[in-house]
Amino acid sequence: EPEVTQTPSHQVTQMGQEVILRCVPISNHLYFYWYRQILGQKVEFLVSFYNNEISEKSEIFDDQFSVERPDGSNFTLKIRSTKLEDSAMYFCASSRLVQPQHFGDGTRLSIL
Amino acid sequence: KNEVEQSPQNLTAQEGEFITINCSYSVGISALHWLQQHPGGGIVSLFMLSSGKKKHGRLIATINIQEKHSSLHITASHPRDSAVYICAVRVIQGAQKLVFGQGTRLTINP
Repeated sequence: EPEVTQTPSHQVTQMGQEVILRCVPISNHLYFYWYRQILGQKVEFLVSFYNNEISEKSEIFDDQFSVERPDGSNFTLKIRSTKLEDSAMYFCASSRLVQPQHFGDGTRLSIL
Repeated sequence: KNEVEQSPQNLTAQEGEFITINCSYSVGISALHWLQQHPGGGIVSLFMLSSGKKKHGRLIATINIQEKHSSLHITASHPRDSAVYICAVRVIQGAQKLVFGQGTRLTINP
């Protein structure tokens, strides 16, 4: 069964550094999403992406965040200048139509 | 107030027991999802419901739209069912994001 693939599984970065989290969605899917889960808290929506543009974003998704689908297969989340509070598990998801969404295994981001 | 509330937050049971996890929501929705999160963190979609009932193996999910309530049942529970079970809703027609509950941590002892 096709899967959403995320790399790396764990990223450790110094505060203030830029980080790029990578996702390969399922190949015939059209909608792409990023969510995050701070340790011990619930999963929160960050952004959705369709037709090469952001279709919806949350209050969390401020100017420090950006998303890109650079080559038709990858879907990336960039955090420009990381803060301690960006430490979380970041999940990528994709869907053929708006739902159901298929999730990757997540990238654990640790900011030092 | 959270838009999606789950109960209980933690549930421990013996192998073979019938398990029920509840989800209540306070907003109009177009669909409700039940998800399973394993100890390593990965999330797997179990069900998507907009009405009625769905069954897959030992798992059953029901939803009552009028009461804004859904339940996930596990029959003949097994230690491998131990995980965090998460309810998430798609809030309005056309909106794409999911709004998540806080999860229910289920532990099944042998």
